[in-house]
Amino acid sequence: EVVLTQSPATLSLSPGERATLSCRASQSVGSYLAWYQQKPGQAPRLLIYDASNRATGIPARFSGSGSGTDFTLTISSLEPEDFAVYYCQQRSNWRGTFGQGTKLEIK
Amino acid sequence: QEHLVESGGGVVQPGRSLRLSCAASGFTFSSSDMVWVRQSPGNGLAWVAVILHDASIKYYADSVKGRFTVSRDNSKNRLYLQMNSLRVEDTALYYCARDLEGRGFDIWGQGAMVTVSS
Repeated sequence: EVVLTQSPATLSLSPGERATLSCRASQSVGSYLAWYQQKPGQAPRLLIYDASNRATGIPARFSGSGSGTDFTLTISSLEPEDFAVYYCQQRSNWRGTFGQGTKLEIK
Repeated sequence: QEHLVESGGGVVQPGRSLRLSCAASGFTFSSSDMVWVRQSPGNGLAWVAVILHDASIKYYADSVKGRFTVSRDNSKNRLYLQMNSLRVEDTALYYCARDLEGRGFDIWGQGAMVTVSS
């Protein structure tokens, strides 16, 4: 099973600042990595697929990069609505796994 | 409007069974791979199972293998999760989602809560 490790567990920033979230895989997943945002009481929302492609309707301030085992989600300038929990996810050999999540909180 | 709606959740005793259903609308369900994902209270997301569009391939997380069965009825635009031998640790909110051929899950339901308790 591919294990995804996200860091940091919690990130405290202010609106307008840049956020950088990391996801590391225990073995190569190529570019098959996705990022999700989840707010309290809501289902997750797909932000990024294939490591760097924004999903439909996702603002340009969200970007993804990386391949193999190291991936990054960057939010260029935080808006108040961006404070949430973020998860990375992969599916290799038909089996999927999620990272444990990064909570992005207001400083 | 693409939509997924789960149903069938509830409270059940350990060792009993429950079947979740997921109704799809607004997209071509019969061409879509589908997954079940769960989230235990206050915790993160956990992938549970995948079923390809034609049901030719099904895979499960080790934690549910042999107890859960995923199936679908493309004529009814419905996805199912049969959960047997339920354990307290299966308590979670269960989501169905569309799988973009392994690249990400782009459509999610609102979830169905399953509580396993004596």
